[in-house]
Amino acid sequence: TQLLEQSPQFLSIQEGENLTVYCNSSSVFSSLQWYRQEPGEGPVLLVTVVTGGEVKKLKRLTFQFGDARKDSSLHITAAQPGDTGLYLCAGADDYKLSFGAGTTVTVRA
Amino acid sequence: ETGVTQTPRHLVMGMTNKKSLKCEQHLGHNAMYWYKQSAKKPLELMFVYNFKEQTENNSVPSRFSPECPNSSHLFLHLHTLQPEDSALYLCASGVGYNEQFFGPGTRLTVL
Repeated sequence: TQLLEQSPQFLSIQEGENLTVYCNSSSVFSSLQWYRQEPGEGPVLLVTVVTGGEVKKLKRLTFQFGDARKDSSLHITAAQPGDTGLYLCAGADDYKLSFGAGTTVTVRA
Repeated sequence: ETGVTQTPRHLVMGMTNKKSLKCEQHLGHNAMYWYKQSAKKPLELMFVYNFKEQTENNSVPSRFSPECPNSSHLFLHLHTLQPEDSALYLCASGVGYNEQFFGPGTRLTVL
């Protein structure tokens, strides 16, 4: 089993602040994905990063894949209450995904 | 209807009951997955089906029995479950780069 560690476990910030969530592993992945999950729902895919060093932007969200393809970060600029949720990273190996335990983000209005 | 659907959304069952969870995907994917999500733990992969063939059984107890009659439908048959089996059960279907698309889940409570 390939372990992914996410930090922090919990994050509570005020609307308008920035935040960064980290995903680290000792394993190399062919790709890494970020998902957001809201209470009572399944995870929703946000982005897939494939190339080491890759940076992808999705509106106020910036995703980075480490050069060695072992770690990733998610940065949210000017967070909004709608960004509240559980953020999960998942590393891909063959046809399987290994998930981190997630970071619970709460954005207060 | 599009995406991945799961029924029922909520299920309460006794330890002696037999029930089934259903998943349907309308995305044309060839791979389907069952996951278990418990509080404060990473998603646990249970079963993988690729082109209707089971390619992964992640040491899941036999009280969970999957069935994949075609590439669009996936079932999880449950019998003689334990209270510790209470969790959110998620179905997903897969595409290139291992991207997976999840259903809303079935919240299972075993009394």
